[in-house]
Amino acid sequence: QQQVKQSPQSLIVQKGGISIINCAYENTAFDYFPWYQQFPGKGPALLIAIRPDVSEKKEGRFTISFNKSAKQFSLHIMDSQPGDSATYFCAARSGTASKLTFGTGTRLQVTL
Amino acid sequence: KAGVTQTPRYLIKTRGQQVTLSCSPISGHRSVSWYQQTPGQGLQFLFEYFSETQRNKGNFPGRFSGRQFSNSRSEMNVSTLELGDSALYLCASSLEMETPQFFGPGTRLTVL
Repeated sequence: QQQVKQSPQSLIVQKGGISIINCAYENTAFDYFPWYQQFPGKGPALLIAIRPDVSEKKEGRFTISFNKSAKQFSLHIMDSQPGDSATYFCAARSGTASKLTFGTGTRLQVTL
Repeated sequence: KAGVTQTPRYLIKTRGQQVTLSCSPISGHRSVSWYQQTPGQGLQFLFEYFSETQRNKGNFPGRFSGRQFSNSRSEMNVSTLELGDSALYLCASSLEMETPQFFGPGTRLTVL
């Protein structure tokens, strides 16, 4: 059972544009939602994370928007740069466990 | 501060063999989790350890096992390797079980 659905599967954005990746979850026990960035040959790197008590969190060019009632959250990358080209994963976790449930990933390509 | 280290980085085995992968967490981190990443199944949780005890286990056969040592270092073992075990095996560490996880570069296992 896929508990975190991620879309789109791939995304092409021009340099300077806004990249938007969406995730939806089913398990209402989830209470921590991180985003990871992965470059080829590397492990995932933690980008930004949010808890459901806030609707938005911003760190530099990266913003998470969270809609608890819709059970959806999204990553916005402002002023996208070619160096942002990577695969992005949303994830979710519940309670005090470490286990992360990941989305299927979005391959982002930022063109010049 | 050094990140999560995993050894070896690459491994080639044949069907039926067994393999042991090693993970050294970030200094001071006491929780270690393991994930399997494949193109078809994405990132899937294997198990997590805290204070030398397995706290949670994913939906993998008993051929997959792990352990954690008193210095928080962890190993995972896969016995009777199958072709489908070819994957990137990722280790992630966190201070405590409910704190953010940081991933290592992974071990690329190829089963022939």
